[in-house]
Amino acid sequence: QQQVKQSPQSLIVQKGGISIINCAYENTAFDYFPWYQQFPGKGPALLIAIRPDVSEKKEGRFTISFNKSAKQFSLHIMDSQPGDSATYFCAASKASGNQFYFGTGTSLTVIP
Amino acid sequence: DTAVSQTPKYLVTQMGNDKSIKCEQNLGHDTMYWYKQDSKKFLKIMFSYNNKELIINETVPNRFSPKSPDKAHLNLHINSLELGDSAVYFCASSRPFGKAFFGQGTRLTVV
Repeated sequence: QQQVKQSPQSLIVQKGGISIINCAYENTAFDYFPWYQQFPGKGPALLIAIRPDVSEKKEGRFTISFNKSAKQFSLHIMDSQPGDSATYFCAASKASGNQFYFGTGTSLTVIP
Repeated sequence: DTAVSQTPKYLVTQMGNDKSIKCEQNLGHDTMYWYKQDSKKFLKIMFSYNNKELIINETVPNRFSPKSPDKAHLNLHINSLELGDSAVYFCASSRPFGKAFFGQGTRLTVV
């Protein structure tokens, strides 16, 4: 059973455009929602994370929007650059556990 | 300094062999993990250790046996390797409920 559902599976965006990746979860016990960026041949690296007490968090060109009632969160990449081309994973974890549940990943390609 | 390091980076072996992957973290984290990433890039938790104690053991064949000699190390031993074990295996560590740091991965190919 997929604990975190992620869409789209792949995304192509023009340079300078906005990339949007969406995730949804069911378990209301989740209280930490990170996004990871993975380049080919590398391990996932934390990009940005949010806790459910805020609805938005911004770090540079990356913004997480969080909708607790809808149990959805999304990653927005503003002014997308070719160097942003990578696979992005959303994840969720809960205070009582010791694991991260990952979405299925989104392959982002930013065209120059 | 590499925060989470795992060796080897590549591992090619024949079916039926036994192999180990080593992982070390220098972040002082209490929790360490093993994840498997398949050809479709799906990341699935295999094991989670907290202070050398097994916390989570997902539906993984018992041919996979993690060993944590101390808080900074979590090694993965795999017996009787099968073709379906071919994947990239990632070690990670975190503080409780904190962000996870991943190693560079070990690409295992069983032939």
